[in-house]
Formats: sequence, C-alpha cells, structure tokens
Amino acid sequence: KAGVTQTPRYLIKTRGQQVTLSCSPISGHRSVSWYQQTPGQGLQFLFEYFSETQRNKGNFPGRFSGRQFSNSRSEMNVSTLELGDSALYLCASSLDLYQETQYFGPGTRLLVL
Amino acid sequence: GESVGLHLPTLSVQEGDNSIINCAYSNSASDYFIWYKQESGKGPQFIIDIRSNMDKRQGQRVTVLLNKTVKHLSLQIAATQPGDSAVYFCAETGSSNTGKLIFGQGTTLQVKP
Repeated sequence: KAGVTQTPRYLIKTRGQQVTLSCSPISGHRSVSWYQQTPGQGLQFLFEYFSETQRNKGNFPGRFSGRQFSNSRSEMNVSTLELGDSALYLCASSLDLYQETQYFGPGTRLLVL
Repeated sequence: GESVGLHLPTLSVQEGDNSIINCAYSNSASDYFIWYKQESGKGPQFIIDIRSNMDKRQGQRVTVLLNKTVKHLSLQIAATQPGDSAVYFCAETGSSNTGKLIFGQGTTLQVKP
C-alpha cells in the first residue's frame, strides 16, 4: 500500500502571499490531520478532518484553514504568509478517528521570505 | 496545558548497546500513546504504540513500557544500530476524544560505531 503523499515537497513564498498544500492519505484511511513542525515549537497540531468535516482544530490563527474532499484527500491553506510560518507541514492519516495510529507523510517544507 | 515531555534532548550510545528513551506525560486521562522516529528530511515514522490498559508492548527490537502511576513512558531499543540514529518522539492523545496527538520535544539518538 502506498504511504501518505504530500505535494509539493518544497515551497518558497514571500510574506503576504498565500499557499495551498495537498495531502493524499493511505488508501482506505478516512481521517487526515495536519501538523506544523518548527525547531522552536516542535510538532503542533493544526486540524483534523474526517468525512469532509473538521473535527478538531489547534491553536492557530484563522489564516490557517483546510478542507477534505470526498475521496479523503485534504488540502490546507495559509493566507497572508508571515515569516514565522516557515516550517515543515506534516500530514498524517488514520483509518478512523479516536486512538487510531496516525501515519505521516514526508511533509512540505515551506520557506517564507 | 497539556504537554508531553522527554527527559533528555540527546542520547549517545555505542552500537550494539541497548537504548532507553524516556518520556513523561502530564495528562492522566490520556489512554493512547505512540512512539515515532524521525530521520532527517523525513516525516515521523510509526514505531510502536500502547494503550492505557497495557503496561508493556513488544515489537521487533523495540519495547514500550507504560507506567500510569507516575505518568511515564519509555522506549527500549535492543542492540542499537547506526540506522537507529534519529529523533524519537512520544505522543499522546490527551484528554480530548479525538485523533489529535500531543507530541513531546523529541530525543536525538546518536549511535556511535
């Protein structure tokens, strides 16, 4: 079975721009979660989607948003980029909600200049 | 707030020795825990998980121990190999009944040949 895939792998943007990241979960997995990883803050939960609905949201500003499609693929969007948004954005998928093992993709490395 | 912490930021071991990576969690309501391994430039890779109704679980060369009394989790790696060099994260589901994972800061394992 193919793992979680994320596109693009690398992105360079400038402040004020917006960006959309994509995640394809493992086949059959219905839950997708997003995390931001930075050296200072570590891995932090952004949001979680299941059945095209956001089920949980982390403590991030409204500039961070996401969605999930009927095939479980997910996208996240960051608007009005700030320098501090530079990070590795990780997507994880699991079969279902609640205490299911989450499998991570390779991440998208975003650099904001 | 909720947090999961690791006792040591860096652990250096000799190839062939056993490694023990520790983690202290703060939320006594957490009932699912996962260990991940992250190599440079990659996303976190699932190693092993344990639910709160267990105190020990074994995988291939790895063992996870859970002590709910003192809220402590450990990962033991037998016969550590150079390929085990990576950052290791423990994660818990916290008190929220969702798939959200709360990660510790990570321990860097260095294996000396």
